[in-house]
Amino acid sequence: DQQVKQNSPSLSVQEGRISILNCDYTNSMFDYFLWYKKYPAEGPTFLISISSIKDKNEDGRFTVFLNKSAKHLSLHIVPSQPGDSAVYFCAAGGGATNKLIFGTGTLLAVQP
Amino acid sequence: EAQVTQNPRYLITVTGKKLTVTCSQNMNHEYMSWYRQDPGLGLRQIYYSMNVEVTDKGDVPEGYKVSRKEKRNFPLILESPSPNQTSLYFCASSSTARGLYEQYFGPGTRLTVT
Repeated sequence: DQQVKQNSPSLSVQEGRISILNCDYTNSMFDYFLWYKKYPAEGPTFLISISSIKDKNEDGRFTVFLNKSAKHLSLHIVPSQPGDSAVYFCAAGGGATNKLIFGTGTLLAVQP
Repeated sequence: EAQVTQNPRYLITVTGKKLTVTCSQNMNHEYMSWYRQDPGLGLRQIYYSMNVEVTDKGDVPEGYKVSRKEKRNFPLILESPSPNQTSLYFCASSSTARGLYEQYFGPGTRLTVT
């Protein structure tokens, strides 16, 4: 059973526009959510996170929104740049374990 | 330079031949973990360790062993590899004080079992 879901395997946007990546989760015990970015032939790198006590966190061009009632989080990238082209994984942790559960990833392509 | 290193980066082996993938970090992190990445399945946690001599199962531990005898090292052992363990493996580490889930990942080990 996939506890963290990214329903869009891929997304294509034009340079300068907004990219919106979505993630849904099923376990209400999760209390910390993260986005990781992965380039080919490299390991994932941490991008941004949000605690369940917040509904928004910003870091430069990246903003993560959390809607706990809908069990949904999203990552907004504004403006999108070609260097943002990568696979983005959302992840969730917390509750009674120290595990980190990842989604299946969304491949973002930013077209020049 | 702060980093997580894995060796080997690529490995082709045969069914049943024991192998070890090493992982080392130089950041004095308490938490270390192993993941596998498969198409359509994302990253799945195999094992993790909260500190020396403390290990626990992730979501897909079957067929794997780990040990944590030193804080910096966390090897992944496949006692009898099978073709369904063909995958891309990542080691990661983090500081429990600064953010358990904000993990630093190694570059990955691509394993093929024939």
